Amino acid sequence: DQQVKQNSPSLSVQEGRISILNCDYTNSMFDYFLWYKKYPAEGPTFLISISSIKDKNEDGRFTVFLNKSAKHLSLHIVPSQPGDSAVYFCAGSSNTGKLIFGQGTTLQVKP
Amino acid sequence: DAGVIQSPRHEVTEMGQEVTLRCKPISGHNSLFWYRQTMMRGLELLIYFNNNVPIDDSGMPEDRFSAKMPNASFSTLKIQPSEPRDSAVYFCASSRGQGVKNIQYFGAGTRLSVL
Repeated sequence: DQQVKQNSPSLSVQEGRISILNCDYTNSMFDYFLWYKKYPAEGPTFLISISSIKDKNEDGRFTVFLNKSAKHLSLHIVPSQPGDSAVYFCAGSSNTGKLIFGQGTTLQVKP
Repeated sequence: DAGVIQSPRHEVTEMGQEVTLRCKPISGHNSLFWYRQTMMRGLELLIYFNNNVPIDDSGMPEDRFSAKMPNASFSTLKIQPSEPRDSAVYFCASSRGQGVKNIQYFGAGTRLSVL
């Protein structure tokens, strides 16, 4: 009964190229989505978010796209840098403050 | 500023023993969350508190797990008795408010190994 799914456990890209991380959700009540980034031996840190009333939110090299009809969101990182190598978690929320996270995708950016 | 502080960072224990994980949230934050990370299920919310009161404990796996928040600066997650399947990384997070737009700040986690 995973409400948030990240079907790709890992992704490897070359430095300077685009990284695209995908996330699917099943709960139609979600009205806010977030991406967190996690380095080894550290806790997750907030990266970017998007409200369900929008379809795109951009912050520097990071852009999140939301396709509500498909219940799909994606995180684009352009250009990718070696320091972006981390585990990325997407999460959905129905405005209760309770976040439902996916399993995470490990991104490796090769120099 | 100090972030969320968790202790211990690592805990190794034997099956059947009691385990207590500790968390100090960021000063001024009034919401506190306990999560568990496993490879299969990712980050799962176990329980969260608002103003020291448990709001949602539906993620607590079973009665062996309990959490308390006696004051605004301290929370514990206890497992008694522990089992090997409890082995995971446990994170504590805090936020300034309960709404979803209040960013959750995570501690570095406690890696629990139950032998």
